[in-house]
Amino acid sequence: KQEVTQIPAALSVPEGENLVLNCSFTDSAIYNLQWFRQDPGKGLTSLLLIQSSQREQTSGRLNASLDKSSGRSTLYIAASQPGDSATYLCAVKFTNAGKSTFGDGTTLTVKP
Amino acid sequence: ETGVTQSPTHLIKTRGQQVTLRCSSQSGHNTVSWYQQALGQGPQFIFQYYREEENGRGNFPPRFSGLQFPNYSSELNVNALELDDSALYLCASKTGLAGGSSYNEQFFGPGTRLTVL
Repeated sequence: KQEVTQIPAALSVPEGENLVLNCSFTDSAIYNLQWFRQDPGKGLTSLLLIQSSQREQTSGRLNASLDKSSGRSTLYIAASQPGDSATYLCAVKFTNAGKSTFGDGTTLTVKP
Repeated sequence: ETGVTQSPTHLIKTRGQQVTLRCSSQSGHNTVSWYQQALGQGPQFIFQYYREEENGRGNFPPRFSGLQFPNYSSELNVNALELDDSALYLCASKTGLAGGSSYNEQFFGPGTRLTVL
């Protein structure tokens, strides 16, 4: 069964800290992987998309890496800010069909 | 460029009723997917539409059905509502062939919060 896991479920850090969020998946033959941010009760905001042929993507203070052989992706957030507080979701497309499989997310709290 | 929009924002129904949720895809996007997100969980794939045809379905019963229109907007219909159908329903759109190009970044709408009493 193709599954996506995000650990920990929740993380609390002081402002300014660099942090890493983890996403693991069960099948290394992925099509792409996308990181999203979700604020409480809201929709998903796309952060970064990594194609299967890529190893990392960067946008501002965010850097996402992909290691298919180990079934892992990490989202690195530099110099965290209170505005980064949200739930971060990882979505994996295991085939080129429509379905994306999501993890349950990591809820990040950045304390001022 | 207009983003993905969904209506209504919130909806309250009673068990056994039927509901229709609507989604307008982002400009230039011809593929729409629907997801159900229960509280505290990641979204679960319901189905995808490409050029008015369903071309992928998750593990949801037939009482979940959909439509896509020529302008690529979409509807999600749920019949015989059950209490467990209470969730946030998310619509996502993307460009390109369904299952074609690898550059398939999904863009999500704000969701419709459905409560079944």
